[in-house]
Amino acid sequence: GESVGLHLPTLSVQEGDNSIINCAYSNSASDYFIWYKQESGKGPQFIIDIRSNMDKRQGQRVTVLLNKTVKHLSLQIAATQPGDSAVYFCAENNSGGGADGLTFGKGTHLIIQP
Amino acid sequence: GAGVSQSPRYKVAKRGQDVALRCDPISGHVSLFWYQQALGQGPEFLTYFQNEAQLDKSGLPSDRFFAERPEGSVSTLKIQRTQQEDSAVYLCASSLTGGGSYEQYFGPGTRLTVT
Repeated sequence: GESVGLHLPTLSVQEGDNSIINCAYSNSASDYFIWYKQESGKGPQFIIDIRSNMDKRQGQRVTVLLNKTVKHLSLQIAATQPGDSAVYFCAENNSGGGADGLTFGKGTHLIIQP
Repeated sequence: GAGVSQSPRYKVAKRGQDVALRCDPISGHVSLFWYQQALGQGPEFLTYFQNEAQLDKSGLPSDRFFAERPEGSVSTLKIQRTQQEDSAVYLCASSLTGGGSYEQYFGPGTRLTVT
């Protein structure tokens, strides 16, 4: 079935390096994408979102890239810090398809090495 | 301001018991969502309210699951005759506007363990 998935379950990076977390989606009708960060025992925390009429959006230390041609989404985190350690989820929504909830991928566990 | 709150944070139920999970969304938020998150997995959509109207319940896994939001603010997710497979974290999220294509703010979740 159509779903959002992630390429790597775990990503380990050195503190201060840039991190790139990837996500593949299969629903070509999806028009809204969002990245969440989830720390242990907490609910998902919004990081950044992007709509399908854009291919790049920047926030504070984060950038989301959307490639609709290959149905790929990525989250770039600049100068990673220990506090960035968490599980990162991409999620999508197809507002025109009557779907109201977000469809989440399985998540990537980002580990920051000192 | 206050975020989304959920209670209880932890619930242990014996198989066959009924449970009720509460969600207090951010004040003024129109949309409210319930998700179920199994260990090591991403959240899965259960149901959606716009104000007091339940517009989508396509994700509810069985008729043992029931949700309500009678006054368009607080919501309750009820699970009847709990089964072990119901063990999960139940997340509530709210959004300022209607529909799923807007930022959803999540609560801390209720961890349900069915023994």
